[in-house]
Amino acid sequence: AQTVTQSQPEMSVQEAETVTLSCTYDTSESNYYLFWYKQPPSRQMILVIRQEAYKQQNATENRFSVNFQKAAKSFSLKISDSQLGDTAMYFCALGLSNFGNEKLTFGTGTRLTIIP
Amino acid sequence: DAGVTQSPTHLIKTRGQQVTLRCSPKSGHDTVSWYQQALGQGPQFIFQYYEEEERQRGNFPDRFSGHQFPNYSSELNVNALLLGDSALYLCASSPTAVYGYTFGSGTRLTVV
Repeated sequence: AQTVTQSQPEMSVQEAETVTLSCTYDTSESNYYLFWYKQPPSRQMILVIRQEAYKQQNATENRFSVNFQKAAKSFSLKISDSQLGDTAMYFCALGLSNFGNEKLTFGTGTRLTIIP
Repeated sequence: DAGVTQSPTHLIKTRGQQVTLRCSPKSGHDTVSWYQQALGQGPQFIFQYYEEEERQRGNFPDRFSGHQFPNYSSELNVNALLLGDSALYLCASSPTAVYGYTFGSGTRLTVV
């Protein structure tokens, strides 16, 4: 079975600062992907960034980057130059890929507030 | 290009009733997954449909059932509703050849 743990229920940071959200996971599988999703009040899950487990290089998407530590099973998200629009719930998720798009296992989320 | 469309957006049902939620996947996507998100929690996987068959199922009772149609759209049915079924139900679609999911905005179900 797969588990995803997010130990920070809430975080807040001043606009333009950098913030890091933590995530740890557990799986015995070797083929998997890791994701960070953003869920604003509109409810839709929006993909922020994804990481293929077989890639050593950390993924980056503009102001968003990850620190993927495979041996430690850690997958943190760094948001640089935070903006008011980054205020949302953030979920870390793990998906197996043995036969394509398998189910996602989500953490409990971190509520991020950007303070003007 | 339309994304994932879910209907209705909100729904109120009485305990013991039955409900059907609908999902139209993103164009080019053939796999549909359903998730239940209780208030303040992360989404929990219910099941996944591919080629009109249930391919994976999470830890949900048989009261939760689904269907996928030839056009890849999907329905989630819940029988004998309980108060604990109140949640946001999310649909996610994905293509076969590429790993990734697109989520809809969900259906908010309230059971009274």
